[in-house]
Amino acid sequence: DVKVTQSSRYLVKRTGEKVFLECVQDMDHENMFWYRQDPGLGLRLIYFSYDVKMKEKGDIPEGYSVSREKKERFSLILESASTNQTSMYLCASSSQGPGLGNYGYTFGSGTRLTVV
Amino acid sequence: DQQVKQNSPSLSVQEGRISILNCDYTNSMFDYFLWYKKYPAEGPTFLISISSIKDKNEDGRFTVFLNKSAKHLSLHIVPSQPGDSAVYFCAASEGGSEKLVFGKGTKLTVNP
Repeated sequence: DVKVTQSSRYLVKRTGEKVFLECVQDMDHENMFWYRQDPGLGLRLIYFSYDVKMKEKGDIPEGYSVSREKKERFSLILESASTNQTSMYLCASSSQGPGLGNYGYTFGSGTRLTVV
Repeated sequence: DQQVKQNSPSLSVQEGRISILNCDYTNSMFDYFLWYKKYPAEGPTFLISISSIKDKNEDGRFTVFLNKSAKHLSLHIVPSQPGDSAVYFCAASEGGSEKLVFGKGTKLTVNP
């Protein structure tokens, strides 16, 4: 059973802390993505990566950075957590190719981050 | 600038009836469309997709219709079941790009 695994389901951090959200996929996918989901705002892309050590900004990169040192792992970093970063964070992966294929992305179960 | 729009934040239907979820897009270069289903505290899961060369795709109780001239697609669920209650996201991609653009989602509630 193919998987995208996010290290934590629930996380509570204090304002100003540096926060690491980890994501690992076992499908040998080239592409990995970080989204946040907020009520009324849907899924918003933070960062994505098409290859190891490669990253591109999404629609809302401010306050975040990412790291992809290995193909299977994509980390999201909140340099100094703030209360407006309280959200559901979703990692996804997909295979590279001429198109998305039939299913597009495989998502992880999400990390509910609360910044207090 | 929202390229994929789901104008109904919520929809409520009776069990056994049809659910119709709508999605509009503005980018005429989109050529692949997907629907995802999301339960609370879980990640979205793929439901059904359609390429722009088709106008209909069916998978069991789920059918997606694409009207390219109107830049509109819809997801039909027949018959609706209480387990279908979830948030449904419409997504689109352009020209083989691996990057998906998502709508804001529609929360479907199917009442027993």
